[in-house]
Amino acid sequence: EPEVTQTPSHQVTQMGQEVILRCVPISNHLYFYWYRQILGQKVEFLVSFYNNEISEKSEIFDDQFSVERPDGSNFTLKIRSTKLEDSAMYFCASTSGGISYNEQFFGPGTRLTVL
Amino acid sequence: DQQVKQNSPSLSVQEGRISILNCDYTNSMFDYFLWYKKYPAEGPTFLISISSIKDKNEDGRFTVFLNKSAKHLSLHIVPSQPGDSAVYFCAATNFGNEKLTFGTGTRLTIIP
Repeated sequence: EPEVTQTPSHQVTQMGQEVILRCVPISNHLYFYWYRQILGQKVEFLVSFYNNEISEKSEIFDDQFSVERPDGSNFTLKIRSTKLEDSAMYFCASTSGGISYNEQFFGPGTRLTVL
Repeated sequence: DQQVKQNSPSLSVQEGRISILNCDYTNSMFDYFLWYKKYPAEGPTFLISISSIKDKNEDGRFTVFLNKSAKHLSLHIVPSQPGDSAVYFCAATNFGNEKLTFGTGTRLTIIP
């Protein structure tokens, strides 16, 4: 069964460093998302991406964050200068649109630890 | 911002019995609701969804009920199995709005 994959599974970085989290969405999907979950809290929406541009972003997704689909398969989230409060699980999701528009399929997540 | 609430952080149910997980929402613009299941160190896995034009949707052992007037939905699992032990998240959205708004989750433990 097709699945969303994410790398790395765990990333440790120093405060102020840049990190890039990578995702490979399901191949025929057209809509892509990033969510995060701080330990003990709920899953929060960060950004959605369609047709090579951001379609919606939350207030969390400030100028330190960016997303890119550099080729036909990868979808990346970059944090330019990490802060301690960026420590969280980051989940990528994708959906095909159409009748199953809102049924988003999630990857296993990347645990980001900022020291 | 508690637009989607799951008031029970945990629930324990005997194997073979019915598990009922509850979710309340406040935003009347939500018109599509989903349940996800999450194991530790994995991403959320889609279980079942329901549109606001329905009040019930069933898929095997899983049934979701929607009460729009009460802004309440529930997930019934019957019979409960040990593999159902996980954290269950309720999520809501506007159909056509891409963002999912999640509840805080309920940890379900099935007792053999």
